[in-house]
Amino acid sequence: KNEVEQSPQNLTAQEGEFITINCSYSVGISALHWLQQHPGGGIVSLFMLSSGKKKHGRLIATINIQEKHSSLHITASHPRDSAVYICAVMNYGGSQGNLIFGKGTKLSVKP
Amino acid sequence: ETGVTQTPRHLVMGMTNKKSLKCEQHLGHNAMYWYKQSAKKPLELMFVYNFKEQTENNSVPSRFSPECPNSSHLFLHLHTLQPEDSALYLCASSRTGGDYNEQFFGPGTRLTVL
Repeated sequence: KNEVEQSPQNLTAQEGEFITINCSYSVGISALHWLQQHPGGGIVSLFMLSSGKKKHGRLIATINIQEKHSSLHITASHPRDSAVYICAVMNYGGSQGNLIFGKGTKLSVKP
Repeated sequence: ETGVTQTPRHLVMGMTNKKSLKCEQHLGHNAMYWYKQSAKKPLELMFVYNFKEQTENNSVPSRFSPECPNSSHLFLHLHTLQPEDSALYLCASSRTGGDYNEQFFGPGTRLTVL
């Protein structure tokens, strides 16, 4: 079992739908990353959070430290949101840069 | 544009070739990272450099040789690779110190080994 599990693995939505991607982890963490990877391969950091909730435009990320769970929400989804969304955690006490990555959720938003 | 650039973006090489991947960051960061992303697998950390010193080598085969001449530049020298080394190689950078520092990723180099 991976230390970072994401669900679903694949998600297809219609434009305008509200989307939720989940991330569960089994280790103590100091921070959690949500990343977006477009088909070209480049990765963009969406959020880094260690508690509570963050919002940026149509994106919202929440984390529940006690339950070891985080969610990424996309409101009013758009085809340009189509990408792979990756959850990564920094293991508490882990060495510099040692992020543990989930396998990603591939999102496809249809017009 | 994340402030981290990588060249080349695509590379095809034979198993006997020697090539190098280059990463450059314009963010004033002191830590740089190499990651490998194979199909259907999570990103894997390969190397970490802090202030030009290698602080992490994640059991990477010696056919991959990193070099960090200064805090802004990172290279990955490749020689006698295997077809299973074909993957997307991503570079990232971050500040150092504190509990955790957000990493900024480059666009990656898509490597194919024939």
